[in-house]
Formats: sequence, C-alpha cells, structure tokens
Amino acid sequence: GAVVSQHPSWVICKSGTSVKIECRSLDFQATTMFWYRQFPKQSLMLMATSNEGSKATYEQGVEKDKFLINHASLTLSTLTVTSAHPEDSSFYICSASFSGEVHNEQFFGPGTRLTVL
Amino acid sequence: AQSVTQPDIHITVSEGASLELRCNYSYGATPYLFWYVQSPGQGLQLLLKYFSGDTLVQGIKGFEAEFKRSQSSFNLRKPSVHWSDAAEYFCAFAYSSASKIIFGSGTRLSIRP
Repeated sequence: GAVVSQHPSWVICKSGTSVKIECRSLDFQATTMFWYRQFPKQSLMLMATSNEGSKATYEQGVEKDKFLINHASLTLSTLTVTSAHPEDSSFYICSASFSGEVHNEQFFGPGTRLTVL
Repeated sequence: AQSVTQPDIHITVSEGASLELRCNYSYGATPYLFWYVQSPGQGLQLLLKYFSGDTLVQGIKGFEAEFKRSQSSFNLRKPSVHWSDAAEYFCAFAYSSASKIIFGSGTRLSIRP
C-alpha cells in the first residue's frame, strides 16, 4: 500500500516552455502533498507543501509564480514549471501523506527528471 | 539552526561486511528522525524512524539505528550488507509530527564484490 506515482518520469523541453508534472496517490487519499527538488548528488530540498483544496505553502526562495502547484483532489497534485530555463533542470520528487498519519511519514514518488534545453 | 548532517559523502563496503552510516542532528529537544534509501528509478523508501521510546530502532531490510542523545547521533547499521544495498541513504529530521522533514546531504553506499 501507500504507492505514489509521478508522470512523466522524464521530460525534455525547450527553454521558455511550460512543463506539468503529475503526482498521484494510487491507493490512499493524500491530504497533504509535498514537492521537492534534487540536484545531482545533492539532497532533497522542499519546495512547497500543498493541502487538498488550499493554496500551496512555498518555502523561502521558491518562486511561486514559476512553480505552480495545484492540489485539486485527494489523489492528484500537479507541479507546473512555467517558462522553464536550463537552470530549472533538476529531479523533481513528490511525496504524500494522509490524515491520521500522526508520525509524519511521507510516501515518495519515483521522481521526474526535467531537462530544459 | 536546527539541521541534520551526514559526514560521509561516499562509503564503500565489501559484500557481507558490516555497515554504519553516520548521522548527527542539531536540535535542543528530541527530534523526529528518519532514514530513507533512494535507489535509481525508485522513490525514497523509509527504512526506519524514531520518535520516542526504545533508542534502538529496527527497520526494514535488516537495518537498525540507534538514537544517542548524548552524541546527537542517529547512526544506521546493518550487520552484513548485500550488493542490493548499494544506493543513496538519507538521514532526515523533523521538529514534530506535523512539521516538514529536513533531509541530510546523503551518503552514497557502494558495495565491493
């Protein structure tokens, strides 16, 4: 149980275009979803936290107009990288947790590798 | 600032040998501590977690970790590693059950045949 999927697993796009990444909880209802960014050989950095039906809470330094997060249902959150540039190339990982999970466990997706040319 | 540190960037261990990955935290109270493993093409998987109680925590895949308040450490151990254990390991920290998780920089584990 507690499976999280991401789509696509990798994407290549041209500079200036927008890219949407989906994160789905397959067998549970995710009241909270998290988006992380991971640079090569580095740790995960939390970008934002989103609760279903609410606006996402962004971490300091993350441009909310560039990284649009939508959590429209209890099983789906999307991250849209708007007007992507090469410096946005990275590995984006989502995770999800559900209400009643009192010990803060998050279930992680496999990640999406974004390459901006 | 409160944080978690993994001093070893890369460790190589022979198959069958024991393993210890180091993790130190900086926080005044008892934190919530986690160890995750990240394998290529797979999501992060939780190995074990500590919140309170017994300071020796058993996890999946034969891993265990010991919380030592006096040393501000939460080292991960395994008595005998397998080639399939080669992966990136992250120690992580949270202030409370509801706060965000902060990840350490990770330790890459290689297994020598």
